[in-house]
Amino acid sequence: ETGVTQSPTHLIKTRGQQVTLRCSSQSGHNTVSWYQQALGQGPQFIFQYYREEENGRGNFPPRFSGLQFPNYSSELNVNALELDDSALYLCASSWGTSGGLEETQYFGPGTRLLVL
Amino acid sequence: GQNIDQPTEMTATEGAIVQINCTYQTSGFNGLFWYQQHAGEAPTFLSYNVLDGLEEKGRFSSFLSRSKGYSYLLLKELQMKDSASYLCAVKWRRDDKIIFGKGTRLHILP
Repeated sequence: ETGVTQSPTHLIKTRGQQVTLRCSSQSGHNTVSWYQQALGQGPQFIFQYYREEENGRGNFPPRFSGLQFPNYSSELNVNALELDDSALYLCASSWGTSGGLEETQYFGPGTRLLVL
Repeated sequence: GQNIDQPTEMTATEGAIVQINCTYQTSGFNGLFWYQQHAGEAPTFLSYNVLDGLEEKGRFSSFLSRSKGYSYLLLKELQMKDSASYLCAVKWRRDDKIIFGKGTRLHILP
């Protein structure tokens, strides 16, 4: 158990809908990163939030957006869902962004999204 | 680009030793992580290397050569529960992103 929680665990949506996924970071962690993991692939970086500000973004379109709250929990929002958005969405929390062992990310159990 | 290369699959026997390699682009390197991921579960942290050399942690060791852009994860005394995917992830100084490789699926045979 890493202390990182995500909700919901599973979700089914249809094309064109919008979805919000939630993540509570480990106590003491101020950084949350979101990843998309397709079956048989490694996690793909979506974006990172540090102290409520976006701190880096991967190659994902603007319909992927996020928020981080004062308690360092976070949301991932995806608009206009497409079939290819079906994946496991992982959030990972860490302390800081300066590098080093404290950079170690601890993952939540993920949300499995299926878009029909 | 920030390519990270790992073998797609490996097979080893219970009780044996296996080495999983990872190569990456050296420019801007700022740390390397290894994670274990069982099917249907989240990745769990195994090791972190930022300086050259070997880091040992029980049955698992991780090695880094920064000049060669090369790391390996060494698993000793393999157990059936070690059947999982092993993910190499690299942090780059330029944009602070941590990029994951596609993972190596390790199958352990009795």
